[in-house]
Amino acid sequence: DGGITQSPKYLFRKEGQNVTLSCEQNLNHDAMYWYRQDPGQGLRLIYYSQIVNDFQKGDIAEGYSVSREKKESFPLTVTSAQKNPTAFYLCASSGLDRDTGELFFGEGSRLTVL
Amino acid sequence: GEDVEQSLFLSVREGDSSVINCTYTDSSSTYLYWYKQEPGAGLQLLTYIFSNMDMKQDQRLTVLLNKKDKHLSLRIADTQTGDSAIYFCAESIVRNTGKLIFGQGTTLQVKP
Repeated sequence: DGGITQSPKYLFRKEGQNVTLSCEQNLNHDAMYWYRQDPGQGLRLIYYSQIVNDFQKGDIAEGYSVSREKKESFPLTVTSAQKNPTAFYLCASSGLDRDTGELFFGEGSRLTVL
Repeated sequence: GEDVEQSLFLSVREGDSSVINCTYTDSSSTYLYWYKQEPGAGLQLLTYIFSNMDMKQDQRLTVLLNKKDKHLSLRIADTQTGDSAIYFCAESIVRNTGKLIFGQGTTLQVKP
């Protein structure tokens, strides 16, 4: 079945450590996105990529990094520079040829910093 | 700037109708969306409406759009306990980029 796979589902990290969240899609979508979700807040855009080897900062990119070496993959690294990294992270993709612009989401990764 | 606002919580009885409201600020929005999030999961698209439409109905779901007041609502008829979730309103402000602005989400609690 086509879809978006995020891993790991749960992750614990000590302060000062970098951690990488995986996102893979087999929907043949051009665009991929990373959102952060905190309780009582909407989703905030961290980074997005509309094409391989290119990506743009979203609204809260500080302390995060991404790469887009393959169309199917868009990993997110949460660096030690991110001041408050404990959150639920959601990866999404969209086919830019679709006029509706809807996003398809993975199941999320919950990161807890100890 | 762009902003989307929702009330945070709604509680209804099973079998009643639920109405979840949303306001947005960007009048250039092309599409407006309703997403559903169940606990610990990602978001699933429920329905969407194009900005030149007033209403869209899809089985138990009715979306109403008042473009003059920048107000969007989602009505769920005959609400079931399985409808308990967080509902997000979102707007697409830049065509064909997939960049969406999300509201804070409304938690719908359905009591038996």
